[in-house]
Amino acid sequence: LAKTTQPISMDSYEGQEVNITCSHNNIATNDYITWYQQFPSQGPRFIIQGYKTKVTNEVASLFIPADRKSSTLSLPRVSLSDTAVYYCLVGDGRSGNTPLVFGKGTRLSVIA
Amino acid sequence: DVKVTQSSRYLVKRTGEKVFLECVQDMDHENMFWYRQDPGLGLRLIYFSYDVKMKEKGDIPEGYSVSREKKERFSLILESASTNQTSMYLCASSPNGVRDTQYFGPGTRLTVL
Repeated sequence: LAKTTQPISMDSYEGQEVNITCSHNNIATNDYITWYQQFPSQGPRFIIQGYKTKVTNEVASLFIPADRKSSTLSLPRVSLSDTAVYYCLVGDGRSGNTPLVFGKGTRLSVIA
Repeated sequence: DVKVTQSSRYLVKRTGEKVFLECVQDMDHENMFWYRQDPGLGLRLIYFSYDVKMKEKGDIPEGYSVSREKKERFSLILESASTNQTSMYLCASSPNGVRDTQYFGPGTRLTVL
């Protein structure tokens, strides 16, 4: 399974754009990149998934360069409610016998 | 919407007690998971199940067992609770394989005294 590396924590002021980068140097050809968000006292929830280039939804954008060895989760104009832990997972979403590893994630703190 | 429910949000037990944590999902998902989450350690997988009566060890199965007698229900059992099992326990389910998108319950914060 591809190993991921992401910053332990980040701080941001309200209204700023936040970019969280995840490194996955040994990503496999069939692997997707998936991000989850976990608010305090809740379970994680899926926010976005991509394979290459750019994916955007109502929560975030995901940028994946051509070599796919890293990816960047972008949160536009964060608010206090975006304070959460963000997890980057890499793997083939449908095949394989072992679950993807969540790891420690990136703790984003948004400050007023 | 997928709903994953856990039997308790908070639980306090004594050392040596047998503890059952229950998880139920309502979307007919094949796969279910139990994690524990501790400060600074992230989510760690305890056990998972890809079918009724099937179970697989995760990264930290020691001190735990599981039961999946029905598709919608996955139970985590602490045979003899110890203080180092004080933690947040999270249950999840996924529809199409153990690497598919997971849907999590709200968690059970267990304290073992």
